[in-house]
Amino acid sequence: DVKVTQSSRYLVKRTGEKVFLECVQDMDHENMFWYRQDPGLGLRLIYFSYDVKMKEKGDIPEGYSVSREKKERFSLILESASTNQTSMYLCASSPLSRDFNYGYTFGSGTRLTVV
Amino acid sequence: GEDVEQSLFLSVREGDSSVINCTYTDSSSTYLYWYKQEPGAGLQLLTYIFSNMDMKQDQRLTVLLNKKDKHLSLRIADTQTGDSAIYFCAVAPNTGGFKTIFGAGTRLFVKA
Repeated sequence: DVKVTQSSRYLVKRTGEKVFLECVQDMDHENMFWYRQDPGLGLRLIYFSYDVKMKEKGDIPEGYSVSREKKERFSLILESASTNQTSMYLCASSPLSRDFNYGYTFGSGTRLTVV
Repeated sequence: GEDVEQSLFLSVREGDSSVINCTYTDSSSTYLYWYKQEPGAGLQLLTYIFSNMDMKQDQRLTVLLNKKDKHLSLRIADTQTGDSAIYFCAVAPNTGGFKTIFGAGTRLFVKA
């Protein structure tokens, strides 16, 4: 069963802490994404990556950075966590295809609370 | 930029049909998707439709596309309590996959 695995389901961190959210996929997908999900706002793209060591800003990159050292792993980093970063974080992946857009496979999400 | 809009809440009785609606702004959207999110879980791709199709049926699910009005709908026949979830409409303009835009999600509540 192919999947996207997020290392933590729930995290509680203090304001100012550096936070790492890890995501691993076993489908050999080229594309990986980080979204945050907030009630009434839906999914907002933070960063995405289309290849190892490549990254592109999404719609709300401020306060975040990412790392993709290996094809299967995409990490989201909160350099100095703030309370407004309390949210559900979703990782997704998709294959690179010129013929068909297969849609995304999502992880189960990490609910981060910053206190 | 591209915008995808959905109503936030829908309540139906078990056994009835549910219709979840979505409108989008970018007429170049090529792929249109419906995802389902159950409580505490990530999103799961339910079905998709190409922009050159009007309808797609998959068991209890029917997707209708009105390209002229940029309107997409998902009909769930014989809705069950297990269908209670948040349903997201999403659109993508090309095969690159980088520009998929999601709606805010419609929470479907099924009353027994």
